[in-house]
Amino acid sequence: SQQGEEDPQALSIQEGENATMNCSYKTSINNLQWYRQNSGRGLVHLILIRSNEREKHSGRLRVTLDTSKKSSSLLITASRAADTASYFCATAPRGATNKLIFGTGTLLAVQP
Amino acid sequence: DVKVTQSSRYLVKRTGEKVFLECVQDMDHENMFWYRQDPGLGLRLIYFSYDVKMKEKGDIPEGYSVSREKKERFSLILESASTNQTSMYLCASSFRGKWQETQYFGPGTRLLVL
Repeated sequence: SQQGEEDPQALSIQEGENATMNCSYKTSINNLQWYRQNSGRGLVHLILIRSNEREKHSGRLRVTLDTSKKSSSLLITASRAADTASYFCATAPRGATNKLIFGTGTLLAVQP
Repeated sequence: DVKVTQSSRYLVKRTGEKVFLECVQDMDHENMFWYRQDPGLGLRLIYFSYDVKMKEKGDIPEGYSVSREKKERFSLILESASTNQTSMYLCASSFRGKWQETQYFGPGTRLLVL
């Protein structure tokens, strides 16, 4: 089964609202990363949070990590139509050098 | 800016054909990866390479092989294409750091096997 499971699978909001996506995983990790994929394109890295960090910000993005619950959340504030994309979490398992394990993604639709 | 390029955006092949997908990165990254992406299954790792001529199997290597003769180029080979290999193929690269680093992706190749 997937190391990273995103929730919800799909999310539809209005422009200006906040969007929250969650990721749960099973094993110990070195870090957790979030990526965005616009329709039919490659993935773009958004943010990386290390296992000893609890929260990280980048522009309108806020990521939290709770290693005791093995979960992370990605918050996009004041969403824009251009944020419409699929969002993936990727976990870096401890002991699996160089590899990331990607979840199945959350499809976010921001209505103008 | 890191640039990862893939040789084709769209490819149509016949069952049984040998298919080559090429990936080139310009950032001197040690690691390179090939994934396939299918609806509902996310990204699945096919093969990765952490150095020239080095390769390791990912989660779904069956039916695929790879070649890394130069640091900047990583090729995925479908020896005899089958319809169940119709998919989106994504190449990525990263530095080989102490821990797993950010991966940089190419635009993807959408392969249709008829």
